[in-house]
Amino acid sequence: GAVVSQHPSRVICKSGTSVKIECRSLDFQATTMFWYRQFPKKSLMLMATSNEGSKATYEQGVEKDKFLINHASLTLSTLTVTSAHPEDSSFYICSAALKVAYNEQFFGPGTRLTVL
Amino acid sequence: KQEVTQIPAALSVPEGENLVLNCSFTDSAIYNLQWFRQDPGKGLTSLLLIQSSQREQTSGRLNASLDKSSGRSTLYIAASQPGDSATYLCAVDTNAGKSTFGDGTTLTVKP
Repeated sequence: GAVVSQHPSRVICKSGTSVKIECRSLDFQATTMFWYRQFPKKSLMLMATSNEGSKATYEQGVEKDKFLINHASLTLSTLTVTSAHPEDSSFYICSAALKVAYNEQFFGPGTRLTVL
Repeated sequence: KQEVTQIPAALSVPEGENLVLNCSFTDSAIYNLQWFRQDPGKGLTSLLLIQSSQREQTSGRLNASLDKSSGRSTLYIAASQPGDSATYLCAVDTNAGKSTFGDGTTLTVKP
C-alpha cells in the first residue's frame, strides 16, 4: 500500500512555543490530507481537511488560528500548533487520499506532542 | 452525523480462542470501512479495508465482514495469540476520506 510519513514522531516543547508537524505522501500524490487528534484512551477525532492549493476546512470546535494547516504541494501538508499549551498535548495523525480514483486513505504513524 | 460504536470496550481471552469484535454505525452511506490495530503509544496499523460494495475481507487469521444495510461490521480473529493484544479501531469513511472512528476495543490475550 501507499506510504505516508510524519515528522517528527515525537516532540516536547515549552508552553507558548509553536510546533510544526509534517505529513508526507512518499509514493503517491494526494490532493487531500486529513489531520486527526487522539486524546489519551480516546479515539481519533478529525480536526481538519487539508486541500492542496486552497484553505483547509476545519471541523466544528477546532480553532483555525490555533492549528494552522498548509498544503503547499501534492505530497506535503503541515500542521502548526501555535502558542502551544499543555492541553494541546496529544497524538496527532495525518492521512492522505490518492489524487485520482479515491477509494481509501492511508494513515501516517503519528506524532506525539508533549507541551510542558 | 455518523456515529460509530464498538462493543465490547475491553475483552480478555485465553490464548487460542476465536473471538469477534463488533462495530456498528448509524449512516449506511459509506465509502468504506477499515479496521486498525493500535499498540500503546503507537500509530495505526491498517488490518483490513472493506469497500462499500464488498461483504468481507480476509487476511491470515483475520476476517472482517460488512453489512451496510444493518450498519454493522465484525472483525473475527481466529486462534488468538498474546501478540494480538492491542486496541482495535473501526473507522467508517463517509465522505471521501473523512473518517469517523469508534472508541476501540482493547484486547488482551493471556498466555
